[in-house]
Amino acid sequence: NAGVMQNPRHLVRRRGQEARLRCSPMKGHSHVYWYRQLPEEGLKFMVYLQKENIIDESGMPKERFSAEFPKEGPSILRIQQVVRGDSAAYFCASSLGLQNTEAFFGQGTRLTVV
Amino acid sequence: AQTVTQSQPEMSVQEAETVTLSCTYDTSENNYYLFWYKQPPSRQMILVIRQEAYKQQNATENRFSVNFQKAAKSFSLKISDSQLGDTAMYFCAFRNTGNQFYFGTGTSLTVIP
Repeated sequence: NAGVMQNPRHLVRRRGQEARLRCSPMKGHSHVYWYRQLPEEGLKFMVYLQKENIIDESGMPKERFSAEFPKEGPSILRIQQVVRGDSAAYFCASSLGLQNTEAFFGQGTRLTVV
Repeated sequence: AQTVTQSQPEMSVQEAETVTLSCTYDTSENNYYLFWYKQPPSRQMILVIRQEAYKQQNATENRFSVNFQKAAKSFSLKISDSQLGDTAMYFCAFRNTGNQFYFGTGTSLTVIP
């Protein structure tokens, strides 16, 4: 049973370009979370999705950021017109959605905006 | 919204000694779950231990144990017989009934040989 898979592991984008980060949850998991981690900081919640639904996007910046978790395929975190301040590690986690289960994390995508 | 506070940005401990990492949280819910995650230099987040709020007994996993004080909303992690491989960032996390996870800012632990 493969764990949470994120790709790419490293992504370099020039200012103004678009960044697409992919997350395939663990098999059987229908709940996906995206977090951003800045250097020397903790995990900042961005968005919580279930299949085809955004449950909570209160941590997402209002502009340029969007997320989806389609019926088929991975969850995508999309950042349009990237700026230097978007440089960070982005982590995806998935869970079964049951009360007593933890979130399983991917290894993250390190985005560098140059 | 729930908040999780880790007041110790950095800690160090001698190998084979015991160290305790602090965590407090704020919630109005009665049923929830608490977790400690470890993030070594590889950046992979690894679950260390979990605690159900309705259980009074403190969870233990080998050298790791927690001191869960529900009334005080405190959830500290004790690492016994510290090993070099315990060097990592440690995150305290809270999961509410809405299936949402909230994380603290982390404590960087260094085990000194």
